[in-house]
Amino acid sequence: NAGVMQNPRHLVRRRGQEARLRCSPMKGHSHVYWYRQLPEEGLKFMVYLQKENIIDESGMPKERFSAEFPKEGPSILRIQQVVRGDSAAYFCASSPTSDYSGNTIYFGEGSWLTVV
Amino acid sequence: DQQVKQNSPSLSVQEGRISILNCDYTNSMFDYFLWYKKYPAEGPTFLISISSIKDKNEDGRFTVFLNKSAKHLSLHIVPSQPGDSAVYFCAASAGSSNTGKLIFGQGTTLQVKP
Repeated sequence: NAGVMQNPRHLVRRRGQEARLRCSPMKGHSHVYWYRQLPEEGLKFMVYLQKENIIDESGMPKERFSAEFPKEGPSILRIQQVVRGDSAAYFCASSPTSDYSGNTIYFGEGSWLTVV
Repeated sequence: DQQVKQNSPSLSVQEGRISILNCDYTNSMFDYFLWYKKYPAEGPTFLISISSIKDKNEDGRFTVFLNKSAKHLSLHIVPSQPGDSAVYFCAASAGSSNTGKLIFGQGTTLQVKP
């Protein structure tokens, strides 16, 4: 009974490299959300995806960041040409439907990106 | 523009006493509120929620109170236990948008002393 699985848990990248973070939602969940937590801050919504569709990307930075949730396989958050300010914890969450009641959104354990 | 605010970064409480964590919001469109608990290096875990049509919701040791006129909610934990020591996040959503977009506060670190 696996929960939301994120990998890698920790990732170190040099400035200018690409970072790819993967998220496998809970079984039966078709809605995926990505959040970012900067040091000493709360979680900030980035993007909401369903299979093969981006529903809401209002929290995504305009450049260098992209997300996908293909028909097969995990959701991927891609950060191109990383900068030090991208260092953060990135959390994925999933839910079975869009009519969530809060307690049906489950978070993964996060991926910690460090840019050196 | 912080729409959800937790003005107390930290709170220390003696075991067995009540812990009260507070949260204020500015957006009157929010209609669903949640509390999450988070341990270091882990993801947030859902604790309790409340719809804007209610003013109280209780689940075991946890009770959430909502004061819509004051745009304020609070989480009461009683009795507090050392295992409750964690960061607590308040979150809100405008359900009509239905996108699963939660707006989080900055968090309050609770320490329960034995």
